[in-house]
Amino acid sequence: NAGVTQTPKFQVLKTGQSMTLQCAQDMNHEYMSWYRQDPGMGLRLIHYSVGAGITDQGEVPNGYNVSRSTTEDFPLRLLSAAPSQTSVYFCASSYSIPGRAEQYFGPGTRLTVT
Amino acid sequence: KNEVEQSPQNLTAQEGEFITINCSYSVGISALHWLQQHPGGGIVSLFMLSSGKKKHGRLIATINIQEKHSSLHITASHPRDSAVYICAVRCGGETSGSRLTFGEGTQLTVNP
Repeated sequence: NAGVTQTPKFQVLKTGQSMTLQCAQDMNHEYMSWYRQDPGMGLRLIHYSVGAGITDQGEVPNGYNVSRSTTEDFPLRLLSAAPSQTSVYFCASSYSIPGRAEQYFGPGTRLTVT
Repeated sequence: KNEVEQSPQNLTAQEGEFITINCSYSVGISALHWLQQHPGGGIVSLFMLSSGKKKHGRLIATINIQEKHSSLHITASHPRDSAVYICAVRCGGETSGSRLTFGEGTQLTVNP
């Protein structure tokens, strides 16, 4: 099993550009989440999904969109990048509701917005 | 005040030392996780516990629900234990809205 994969590993965007961060898992997990990690702060939940076709907002959803058309994939879209979105982004999945089961994290995407 | 507080923020130890990292939380929780973030950035789950104590190799995690406190212990520390250790708590009940709240992490450096 590849586990949770994320692409790209690094990305530089100009303010106003859009892009999609890809996340995929091959463990048949129903629950998937996107987090951002910033210096001096803990991981913060952006959006999450409890199954294909179902998504919901987390703690810091503004400026991001998600969709979940399949169990495997959970892409995160930045609609119009801003410098405040410079961060490291982690995708995670688990077989049960977040926190009730072990979370499996992807390797992260380091995004810089200039 | 953060809901999850970790101490210390930074910890430097000599190889072989016994290490303790603490996590305190201010809300009622149903589970607590300890995670390890490697220098390369990858995050792995170490423990999930809701009571008592768990042990895996040289790592021991304990939790006291009444005192809202958990500790992560590393026995016979080794330079390869150098990483950021993150505490996360699960708030909310048995619903899909349940989520994790993370501490800022403790940077551990073990010198040879």
